[in-house]
Amino acid sequence: GQQLNQSPQSMFIQEGEDVSMNCTSSSIFNTWLWYKQEPGEGPVLLIALYKAGELTSNGRLTAQFGITRKDSFLNISASIPSDVGIYFCAGRETSGSRLTFGEGTQLTVNP
Amino acid sequence: NAGVTQTPKFQVLKTGQSMTLQCAQDMNHNSMYWYRQDPGMGLRLIYYSASEGTTDKGEVPNGYNVSRLNKREFSLRLESAAPSQTSVYFCASSEGIANEETQYFGPGTRLLVL
Repeated sequence: GQQLNQSPQSMFIQEGEDVSMNCTSSSIFNTWLWYKQEPGEGPVLLIALYKAGELTSNGRLTAQFGITRKDSFLNISASIPSDVGIYFCAGRETSGSRLTFGEGTQLTVNP
Repeated sequence: NAGVTQTPKFQVLKTGQSMTLQCAQDMNHNSMYWYRQDPGMGLRLIYYSASEGTTDKGEVPNGYNVSRLNKREFSLRLESAAPSQTSVYFCASSEGIANEETQYFGPGTRLLVL
């Protein structure tokens, strides 16, 4: 099946630092999504992207739909301890296909 | 509003035992999903139900069966559990299959098969 490569696998940062993570696919996607999963909970949608080049923000989070339609990026500015969790990208190739999820990026923020 | 609820939260099974994971949503959503989450693998779709009365296989359906009991409930059954089915199982729902990205997830069921 479709593979999504998400990097990095984990990040350990200090409070206040900015964070960047990305996701790449082997084929073109028409939708890119970013979810956050906190410990003991299910994932929650953060940002949805539907057009190549689209840049969308949600508070301190900004995500971009790559121009090639094969990648997406998530940035978190001025991290805080409650940003801790696993961040997943997900994408969809066509309107009739199901979502494919990346492996996740485990984020740890040290106060 | 409870959203999506799952029972049980934790379960330990012996190889060969059977069990059913329960999921219910109170948002009047048409579509429901079952995923498994394994370290380094992300979320993988097991089965989904686009609407009441329909079910379809996802990426990893082998060893599982599902029942869309009514609009609210979607259960996942392991007929003969295997150690490879040790995982965290998430149920999710969305308004419709076209709104899949805005699906709401339950808190998960942690299953250990010995």
